[in-house]
Amino acid sequence: QSVLTQPPSVSGAPGQRVTISCTGSNSNIGAGYDVHWYQQLPGTAPKLLIYGNSNRPARVPDRFSGSKSGTSASLAITGLQAEDEADYYCLSHDNSLSGSVFGGGTKLTVL
Amino acid sequence: QLHLQESGPGLVRPSETLSLTCTVSGGSISGSSFYWGWFRQPPGKGLEWIGRIYYSGNSFYSPSLKSRVAISVDTAKNQFSLKVTAVTATDTAVYYCARLEYSTNWFPDFWGQGTRVTVSS
Repeated sequence: QSVLTQPPSVSGAPGQRVTISCTGSNSNIGAGYDVHWYQQLPGTAPKLLIYGNSNRPARVPDRFSGSKSGTSASLAITGLQAEDEADYYCLSHDNSLSGSVFGGGTKLTVL
Repeated sequence: QLHLQESGPGLVRPSETLSLTCTVSGGSISGSSFYWGWFRQPPGKGLEWIGRIYYSGNSFYSPSLKSRVAISVDTAKNQFSLKVTAVTATDTAVYYCARLEYSTNWFPDFWGQGTRVTVSS
C-alpha cells in the first residue's frame, strides 16, 4: 500500500487527453510539499517529467502538464501519442515517514 | 551532460551484503547543491527511495531500511556507494542511483540506467 495513491491504469485513444491523479494526505502533499512526476518506458530508467508540481524540464513537450490542489496532484497528457505508453509515478515527501514517497504507479495504455 | 553509472555484482547470496557503486561523470559531486541518492524497483513493482547523501557525508535513509543500509561518498573518485546488509529475496530489484535537486523536497532529476541485483543461493 503506497502512501500516495494512483490509479493502477488509465487508457486513451491517440489524440485524446488523459489525467492521472496522485492522492496523498496532510502529512505529505497537503503539508505543502511539491509533487514531481516521472515517466518510465518499458525496460528503462525513470525520467523526470514534471517537477515542483507544474514545471517541465526543457526537453519535455508541453503536452504534459501538472497541477496540485490540497492533498492531491494531477498529471495531464494532451494529444496522446503511442510513444506515451509507459508507467507514470508521482513523488513527494512525507513528514510521518521522514522521507521521499512514491505513488504506486499508473500504467498508461494508448488504444 | 551529466551521466551516472551503477556497478556491482548482479547476484548476492542471502544473508550477505549487497554493495553497489555509482560513478558520476560530466559533473562534480563535490561543492554542489545537490544530494545523491539510491532507489530500487522490485520486479513488476513500483519505485522505492532508499537514501541520499551530500558530498560532505551527511546522509538520510528510508526508515524501513535504515537498520541495514549505509551510503558513503568518495569525492576523489566522484563516486558514491550503497551497502545493504543481511539481504533476503525481497531485496531483489533493479537499483538506480540519481542526482537529487531541491524544491521543498529532494527529487531525482538525473538517473543512472539501473543495475539488476538478484538475491539467491
